[in-house]
Amino acid sequence: EVQLVESGGGLVQPGRSLKFSCAASGFTFSDYAMAWVRQAPKKGLEWVATIIYDGSSTYYRDSVKGRFTISRDNAKSTLYLQMDSLRSEDTATYYCARHTTEFFDYWGQGVMVTVSS
Amino acid sequence: DIQMTQSPASLSASLGETVTIECRASEDIYNGLAWYQQKPGKSPQLLIYNANSLHTGVPSRFSGSGSGTQYSLKINSLQSEDVASYFCQQYYDYWTFGGGTKLELK
Repeated sequence: EVQLVESGGGLVQPGRSLKFSCAASGFTFSDYAMAWVRQAPKKGLEWVATIIYDGSSTYYRDSVKGRFTISRDNAKSTLYLQMDSLRSEDTATYYCARHTTEFFDYWGQGVMVTVSS
Repeated sequence: DIQMTQSPASLSASLGETVTIECRASEDIYNGLAWYQQKPGKSPQLLIYNANSLHTGVPSRFSGSGSGTQYSLKINSLQSEDVASYFCQQYYDYWTFGGGTKLELK
């Protein structure tokens, strides 16, 4: 059974940094691209970033380019998101998702990030 | 960027009814479309990909259709467990989601 478990969210002040992770199990992690998708409170879904299976290529939405870094450790089957220079508009639940490079076929339970002073 | 517009934003239907949700892309996405279901307080779950292919384990009362810029999700014989929000997503050019449709029971 595919399982994705995020950890590390929380409350952070504007301009500060936060890093969280997603532990994967139930599939060969190093065979798949992975992604982060976020959802602001009572809003829709928004793709944030994708990393291909071996970490050699990454993709970001424009609003987070230069501030967020997606990375992975295939030996630990773990995905990461480093968020710097956080803004109030980054407040959302962040979901880790397995990415076929087209659609997102499995999702984690999500981790809440609140950016507020 | 490709914009995805869903309609309606919300709808109310009775048990056993057939429900249809529409999704329009701002340009041709060549069937690069997926549908997700998100139950209250839960993470999204993939229902359909490639516009009309059912994901593993998804009940057959769900179906997808469409082409070009116009796509739809149909739920036959609505069940109580189908109360959720539904999102479309295009993957022809990067990845963007529709605004969602909230489905409630009448």
